[in-house]
Amino acid sequence: SQTIHQWPATLVQPVGSPLSLECTVEGTSNPNLYWYRQAAGRGLQLLFYSIGIDQISSEVPQNLSASRPQDRQFILSSKKLLLSDSGFYLCAWSARGRGTDTQYFGPGTRLTVL
Amino acid sequence: AQSVTQPDIHITVSEGASLELRCNYSYGATPYLFWYVQSPGQGLQLLLKYFSGDTLVQGIKGFEAEFKRSQSSFNLRKPSVHWSDAAEYFCAVVASGGSYIPTFGRGTSLIVHP
Repeated sequence: SQTIHQWPATLVQPVGSPLSLECTVEGTSNPNLYWYRQAAGRGLQLLFYSIGIDQISSEVPQNLSASRPQDRQFILSSKKLLLSDSGFYLCAWSARGRGTDTQYFGPGTRLTVL
Repeated sequence: AQSVTQPDIHITVSEGASLELRCNYSYGATPYLFWYVQSPGQGLQLLLKYFSGDTLVQGIKGFEAEFKRSQSSFNLRKPSVHWSDAAEYFCAVVASGGSYIPTFGRGTSLIVHP
């Protein structure tokens, strides 16, 4: 069966510090991968999605970036965190092909920027 | 582009009462429709989905949803709510043309009173 992992689970970082959040998927190949952010009391904001290695699209311009160094690994980064980057970050995957648009979410990372 | 509206930000019900969470979408054709649930501090879990066929779909945890094309709605229902159902519920839509980018509603927070 497929599983998706995210780490760390929680993170407290000072403003201006770098960020690296990691997401890995097991049990499937060539997944579509997604990064979402969920601010307090708000819905899901799609940040990045990837349909393959080195194929990453950004949905919202900001100081975050994403990379996919391996097929099942998706990394969210920042060189300098802002207070507004605080939130709950969710990674998700979906399978390729028609009728397989269900997304499967990881447990999330709670990021607090102070 | 598609859009999703969840008109209720919060819903409060008593344990054992019936539940209906509303979801309306905007899309030119029949989309793929989903309901997800999120417990506090966790990722999203798929409750049920509609792709085609029978407009009444059954999901996990005793939930069901009915697709009504004439009303552009996909409301989630449960005949008897349990205290463990307290969570955030998200409706999502994916265009049926092979897109892999879902649009999520802003979520409905369900509060269950004993």
